[in-house]
Amino acid sequence: DQQVKQNSPSLSVQEGRISILNCDYTNSMFDYFLWYKKYPAEGPTFLISISSIKDKNEDGRFTVFLNKSAKHLSLHIVPSQPGDSAVYFCAARQPYTGANSKLTFGKGITLSVRP
Amino acid sequence: NAGVTQTPKFRVLKTGQSMTLLCAQDMNHEYMYWYRQDPGMGLRLIHYSVGEGTTAKGEVPDGYNVSRLKKQNFLLGLESAAPSQTSVYFCASSLGQGFFYEQYFGPGTRLTVT
Repeated sequence: DQQVKQNSPSLSVQEGRISILNCDYTNSMFDYFLWYKKYPAEGPTFLISISSIKDKNEDGRFTVFLNKSAKHLSLHIVPSQPGDSAVYFCAARQPYTGANSKLTFGKGITLSVRP
Repeated sequence: NAGVTQTPKFRVLKTGQSMTLLCAQDMNHEYMYWYRQDPGMGLRLIHYSVGEGTTAKGEVPDGYNVSRLKKQNFLLGLESAAPSQTSVYFCASSLGQGFFYEQYFGPGTRLTVT
């Protein structure tokens, strides 16, 4: 049972345009959501996060939106740059699971930004 | 600060062989994790530790054992490797309870079992 879903495996956008990466979840107990970015042959790196008590968090070119009623979050990258080409993982935290920081990850979306 | 380091980076094993993957972090983090990543799959938690001397099972623990004898190190062992354990293994660490939930990842170990 996949609790965090990234249904689109890939996305291609033109440099300078907006990239919108989507993530859906099924567990209403998730209280914190994170986006990680991964380049080939490297480990994932933290990008941005949002608490379930908020509906938006912004950090430079990156904005994450959370719609709790729809159990949906999205990552917006504006403007997109070729260096943003990577795999993006959505992750969610369920509290009281023994390890306070235990995360459930989606399968990832491969973003390609065309020059 | 080296962050999270993993040894080795690559390894090829034959079915039935054993090996240990080493993860080390120099950030004084309490929590450490082992994940595996397979094509078309997200990161799946194998085992984790909430402090020195403690370990717990994650989502896919079968065929693996772990130990956390020192706070900075987290070892993942394969006692009898199987082809199904061919994967990329990532170690991660985080500050722990009460802090922001960001996990810091190592560069990964690519393991092939033939």
